[in-house]
Amino acid sequence: QITLKESGPAVVKPRQPVTLTCALSGVSISRHGVVVGWIRQSPGKALEWLGDISWNDDKWYSPSLRGRLTIMKDASKNEVVLTMTNMDPVDTATYYCGHKSRVFGVVTPFDPWGPGTQVTVSS
Amino acid sequence: EIVLTQSPGTLSLSPGERATLSCRASQRVSSSYLAWYQQKPGQAPRLLIYGASTRAIGIPDRFRGSGSGTDFTLTISRLEPEDFAVYYCHQYGSSPLTFGRGTRLDIK
Repeated sequence: QITLKESGPAVVKPRQPVTLTCALSGVSISRHGVVVGWIRQSPGKALEWLGDISWNDDKWYSPSLRGRLTIMKDASKNEVVLTMTNMDPVDTATYYCGHKSRVFGVVTPFDPWGPGTQVTVSS
Repeated sequence: EIVLTQSPGTLSLSPGERATLSCRASQRVSSSYLAWYQQKPGQAPRLLIYGASTRAIGIPDRFRGSGSGTDFTLTISRLEPEDFAVYYCHQYGSSPLTFGRGTRLDIK
């Protein structure tokens, strides 16, 4: 059974960076075809895809946040790390990570998701 | 970017009734890479349907996805009390990945 769990600071000051971690279990981030992505949801709003990283270190970022986002993986810890710079109150949201696969060009949607971690940007 | 427009925004129905939710894409969704998620308060989204019409593992057969190209539908044949939630469509075939704004299914 694949599970994911996000962690990180609950409160971040404006203009500061935030680093969030997604811990995977039940599958190795280095396994062929594994992709982990980040999605956020602002209070009462819809879901917004942030970016993905694959087992072989391919990365995809949302154009609207490119330049502020970095996604990396730590295979030794089986974790994926998201860093977002220059945080603003509009970045207040629940941040989720999700698992999917990309094998021989066939892609699956995010399933499962972690429970999410709430990040509030406030001074 | 593919914009997904969901309708209606809110749907009020009673248990036992049939629900029909729509998702329209601004461009063709490649390879029918269209999914439907259910989200309840305080929970992460749960995958219901992928590939436009394939039910995820453990999803009851009262949930049915259909459509292709730019028009997709999620049908819940007989609403159970646990089905009242927010439903999102999601296209995962073209970057940037996008989600619809959701349809809230309320108990009438």
